Amino acid sequence: SQTIHQWPATLVQPVGSPLSLECTVEGTSNPNLYWYRQAAGRGLQLLFYSVGIGQISSEVPQNLSASRPQDRQFILSSKKLLLSDSGFYLCAWSGGGLSNQPQHFGDGTRLSIL
Amino acid sequence: DAKTTQPPSMDCAEGRAANLPCNHSTISGNEYVYWYRQIHSQGPQYIIHGLKNNETNEMASLIITEDRKSSTLILPHATLRDTAVYYCIVRVLDYGQNFVFGPGTRLSVLP
Repeated sequence: SQTIHQWPATLVQPVGSPLSLECTVEGTSNPNLYWYRQAAGRGLQLLFYSVGIGQISSEVPQNLSASRPQDRQFILSSKKLLLSDSGFYLCAWSGGGLSNQPQHFGDGTRLSIL
Repeated sequence: DAKTTQPPSMDCAEGRAANLPCNHSTISGNEYVYWYRQIHSQGPQYIIHGLKNNETNEMASLIITEDRKSSTLILPHATLRDTAVYYCIVRVLDYGQNFVFGPGTRLSVLP
């Protein structure tokens, strides 16, 4: 069966520090991968999605970037964090290509910027 | 993608069926209906999805009206652990970039 791992679960970082959140998927190949952010009490906002290694689509302009160095690895990064980057970050995967299959989410990383 | 409308909150007694409505009156013929739920501080959990036929799995049943303009998620015997925010989403066949999570319905299962 497929599993998705995200770490760390919680993170406290000072303003201006760098960020690296990692997400890996097991039990499938060539998945579509996604990064979302959820502000407190709000819905999910899609940040990036990827349909293959090195292929990243950005949905909103921001202080963050994403990379996919391996088929089942998705990384969310920032060179300098802002206070507004605080939130709950979620990684998700779905079957590759055009598909009606659902997305499956990790347990998320709660990021607090001080 | 079609927008969805859900009530902001609902209560349900433990052991009773929870019926969560979703309106998607502008849905097009190639858009699927998905349901997720999110328990506090966890990632959203997929529940069920369908195109036009009713669907059932071990978690819930999805009833889609014949005109497809609305649907109902049914949790047949709600438990306290079903307390969560429930999201109804419609989207076309794509790469998944059009999963749009609105505010959802906050379901409280009461003892």
